[in-house]
Amino acid sequence: GESVGLHLPTLSVQEGDNSIINCAYSNSASDYFIWYKQESGKGPQFIIDIRSNMDKRQGQRVTVLLNKTVKHLSLQIAATQPGDSAVYFCAETPSGSARQLTFGSGTQLTVLP
Amino acid sequence: EPEVTQTPSHQVTQMGQEVILHCVPISNHLYFYWYRQILGQKVEFLVSFYNNEISEKSEIFDDQFSVERPDGSNFTLKIRSTKLEDSAMYFCASTTSGEASPLHFGNGTRLTVT
Repeated sequence: GESVGLHLPTLSVQEGDNSIINCAYSNSASDYFIWYKQESGKGPQFIIDIRSNMDKRQGQRVTVLLNKTVKHLSLQIAATQPGDSAVYFCAETPSGSARQLTFGSGTQLTVLP
Repeated sequence: EPEVTQTPSHQVTQMGQEVILHCVPISNHLYFYWYRQILGQKVEFLVSFYNNEISEKSEIFDDQFSVERPDGSNFTLKIRSTKLEDSAMYFCASTTSGEASPLHFGNGTRLTVT
């Protein structure tokens, strides 16, 4: 039968290890990218953003890398903690779009004790 | 930290009924949005709103949908005649400017149409 819903990629890491979550985007006109974290029953929570004139940006325990050549975005989480367990979405938007975000399909991160 | 507030957290309605979902965006934000997420699917854009008018809307946002900012703090989404396929989480978001500023989302209203 027809598959309903998305089968999320999953990533399991040991507590304390680093996590890398990847995202491919398709719109060459996108110039602003955001990573969101979504815990069960909650809305997307902003983690970090990056503009297309940069290829790396660091926050607290998180780093976003942007490779415009291959349209690839990654989120690195250092010293992953149990509270980091969630679904992580990348979102993109082209300039002049009044911030109409296009979300990726998400990655389920599970932190193992 | 200021946050976007949505009410109710869960709304159950019968097919064909009208529903209004409520949002209080962050107070100094100027751009407002509605997104939805059908269970197990991606978050999808519905509409953006600035300066008391719609800036952009998606194909999902048909004539059954409308938005309103009735006062200086509330931002509502109305679905005129609900359908089963309108069942989803509806997220309100706001941001300070239209350029390179992240959207801040509320925790959503789960709409169940029976």
